[in-house]
Amino acid sequence: DGGITQSPKYLFRKEGQNVTLSCEQNLNHDAMYWYRQDPGQGLRLIYYSQIVNDFQKGDIAEGYSVSREKKESFPLTVTSAQKNPTAFYLCASSMSRVGNQPQHFGDGTRLSIL
Amino acid sequence: QQQVKQSPQSLIVQKGGISIINCAYENTAFDYFPWYQQFPGKGPALLIAIRPDVSEKKEGRFTISFNKSAKQFSLHIMDSQPGDSATYFCAVTDSWGKLQFGAGTQVVVTP
Repeated sequence: DGGITQSPKYLFRKEGQNVTLSCEQNLNHDAMYWYRQDPGQGLRLIYYSQIVNDFQKGDIAEGYSVSREKKESFPLTVTSAQKNPTAFYLCASSMSRVGNQPQHFGDGTRLSIL
Repeated sequence: QQQVKQSPQSLIVQKGGISIINCAYENTAFDYFPWYQQFPGKGPALLIAIRPDVSEKKEGRFTISFNKSAKQFSLHIMDSQPGDSATYFCAVTDSWGKLQFGAGTQVVVTP
């Protein structure tokens, strides 16, 4: 089955710790995205990547970092600089960055602070 | 700044009724208007989408109405079913492919 796999489903972070969220897609999509979802605020774009080895900041990139070394993988690191990391994190991909290409989402990782 | 305003925040509809969700946007550069459906603990799934050169698009029980001059678009769910109970998000996309989401509407369909 083609799709987007996010892992882990639940993640707990200690104070001062960096954690990395995994996102893998087998849709052969060029573009990948990371969103943060908070209750009552919809989804907000953290980072996006249009091709391998290239990525751009979204609207709320502070405290986060990404890499895109392979087409199918786009991991997100939540650093200790992100002071309010508790949220539901969603990864998405689309065939290309062109605006009318639908984005397909994974089932998310819920991050909480210990 | 919020690029798209969505209302209502929540709504309750009886089985067989019509659910209507509205969205308004500011930037006329947006050129793709999708609606996503999200169930608890899952990622959003594309439900239906429209481009600004058409005023209405229907897929089964779901219809998007688009008013370019008013910069508004809406989702109508006809003959609502309990399985439609979910959170619905409107979104706008610019030519760079960046999605901006509304805040979401939680729909509850009662039996």
